[in-house]
Amino acid sequence: EVQLVESGGGLVQPGGSLRLSCAASGFTFSSYWMSWVRQAPGKGLEWVANIKQDGSEKYYVDSVKGRFTISRDNAKNSLYLQMNSLRAEDTAVYYCARDYELDPWGQGTLVTVSS
Amino acid sequence: DVVMTQSPLSLPVTLGQPASISCRSSQSLVYSDGNTYLNWFQQRPGQSPRRLIYKVSNRDSGVPDRFSGSGSGTDFTLKISRVEAEDVGVYYCMQGTHWPPVTFGQGTKVEIK
Repeated sequence: EVQLVESGGGLVQPGGSLRLSCAASGFTFSSYWMSWVRQAPGKGLEWVANIKQDGSEKYYVDSVKGRFTISRDNAKNSLYLQMNSLRAEDTAVYYCARDYELDPWGQGTLVTVSS
Repeated sequence: DVVMTQSPLSLPVTLGQPASISCRSSQSLVYSDGNTYLNWFQQRPGQSPRRLIYKVSNRDSGVPDRFSGSGSGTDFTLKISRVEAEDVGVYYCMQGTHWPPVTFGQGTKVEIK
């Protein structure tokens, strides 16, 4: 069974940093693009970033460019999102999803940016 | 960026009746390889999103056949032939043709009358 499990969310002050992780199992992780998508409380879905199988290509939504970094460790079947200079508007549930076609999704991890 | 516009944003439906959600893109979603990368997702209350339909009309594994997708170019539709209680939730269309960024519609909330 394909499984994606996010972790690392929590409460952080504006300007702070957080690193999210996504542990993958049940498929050949190194064969797929991987993505992060977020959902602010009560709002819709927003794609954040994705990364190619070997990490050689990375893409970001404009609002996080220069602040967030997506990475992966294929030996550990893990995806990461390093989030720096966090803002209140980054408050959201962050999901990892397999492939750029976004199937399936993890259960999400909540990031709250507040003083 | 490609703008995805869904309608309606709220859809009250009677159990057993059909439902239809429209999704329009600001430019054609036909990719250079001939495929159209338009997906539909379902998000039930309190759950993560789940992909239902990929490339306009292909149902994902385990998705009931009462769900169907259609359309071309810039106009797409998700139909539920007979709504069941478990279909309550928010439905999103998503385009994966012109990325980055991948973009989603605003979501359509389906509820039972």
